[in-house]
Amino acid sequence: GQQVMQIPQYQHVQEGEDFTTYCNSSTTLSNIQWYKQRPGGHPVFLIQLVKSGEVKKQKRLTFQFGEAKKNSSLHITATQTTDVGTYFCTWNYGGSQGNLIFGKGTKLSVKP
Amino acid sequence: DAGVTQSPTHLIKTRGQQVTLRCSPKSGHDTVSWYQQALGQGPQFIFQYYEEEERQRGNFPDRFSGHQFPNYSSELNVNALLLGDSALYLCASSPRVGQPQHFGDGTRLSIL
Repeated sequence: GQQVMQIPQYQHVQEGEDFTTYCNSSTTLSNIQWYKQRPGGHPVFLIQLVKSGEVKKQKRLTFQFGEAKKNSSLHITATQTTDVGTYFCTWNYGGSQGNLIFGKGTKLSVKP
Repeated sequence: DAGVTQSPTHLIKTRGQQVTLRCSPKSGHDTVSWYQQALGQGPQFIFQYYEEEERQRGNFPDRFSGHQFPNYSSELNVNALLLGDSALYLCASSPRVGQPQHFGDGTRLSIL
């Protein structure tokens, strides 16, 4: 079956340092979505990537979708304490009309 | 414009009891999905409702059932509660199947 791994599981950084989380799939994904969940909060949609090799930026966040559509990354430049939370890559099970499958996420903590 | 609203926010039940959780989708959204999130884990897809029918289902037993009403709101019912059903139950809505989902704050269910 489809296997998607997200690494690392935890990341502790000093404020101002960069942060990257990676998602790797054993099969081609139709699309990938990234969500952020603050401690005690609910997942919040960040971005959806659909095209091979796609790169999208949101302020300090850069999202990439691999050429083979089997991997994706989220990079945060110069982390801030507001970046604290768990970042999930998700994908649609059963193609674009399928429902979201969440990985285990990467929990980011930022030391001021 | 209200987002996704869920009720109640917290609930305590005992083993063997039954529970009903409620969700109102974001305005303009007609598709509702339910997720179970155990502590420290990513959300797990339970099922999705569209046009008042269950369209997709995750790997959950028949004790988990749901309903969608003509106004697109939805209920999640769980029968014969087990200790392992203790979790945060999240409702998410989208404007149509396959689109990014907006999550509610969830219902924290504790089973004693």
